[in-house]
Amino acid sequence: DVKVTQSSRYLVKRTGEKVFLECVQDMDHENMFWYRQDPGLGLRLIYFSYDVKMKEKGDIPEGYSVSREKKERFSLILESASTNQTSMYLCASSKGQNRDQPQHFGDGTRLSIL
Amino acid sequence: GDSVTQMEGPVTLSEEAFLTINCTYTATGYPSLFWYVQYPGEGLQLLLKATKADDKGSNKGFEATYRKETTSFHLEKGSVQVSDSAVYFCALMTGRRALTFGSGTRLQVQP
Repeated sequence: DVKVTQSSRYLVKRTGEKVFLECVQDMDHENMFWYRQDPGLGLRLIYFSYDVKMKEKGDIPEGYSVSREKKERFSLILESASTNQTSMYLCASSKGQNRDQPQHFGDGTRLSIL
Repeated sequence: GDSVTQMEGPVTLSEEAFLTINCTYTATGYPSLFWYVQYPGEGLQLLLKATKADDKGSNKGFEATYRKETTSFHLEKGSVQVSDSAVYFCALMTGRRALTFGSGTRLQVQP
């Protein structure tokens, strides 16, 4: 089974801090994604990556950046955390280019910005 | 742009009742359609998928049929169990390989 591991289940940070959320997958997937989940809004795409050192903006990239130095690891960075970034963050990965490939999700990181 | 609309929850049913969760979509091109389920405290899991018109996805007693003419992908189950209590997300994928999700529907099944 594919395993997508997010480094923290719960995280509390302060406004203005630089925050790193880490995600690792163990199935050699090309594609990796970061979403945030908010009540009533479903999941919204922040950034995604098709390959090492490649990144694409999703639907809500403002205030975030990403890093993909190795194929298995995709990091989400909050450059200067703000309270409106308090949310559940979900990482996912998928294989190849076909649009019918399912995404495999981690258990999420619940981030609180105080 | 692409979008997915789901019926609002929560949906509360008694055990063994019939379940329908409505999902409609708007997409450029020809999307693949998915249902994901999120159990409490967990990430999302793929429940079923369909990649072309009239395809029926099925898994664990759940079914959904890709209806191109009505742009719908409604989720159904003939007899729900308490263990089906979860949040269900309808989603689509087009060329960019990322999912566009609906807002989710919480299902509560009472014994």
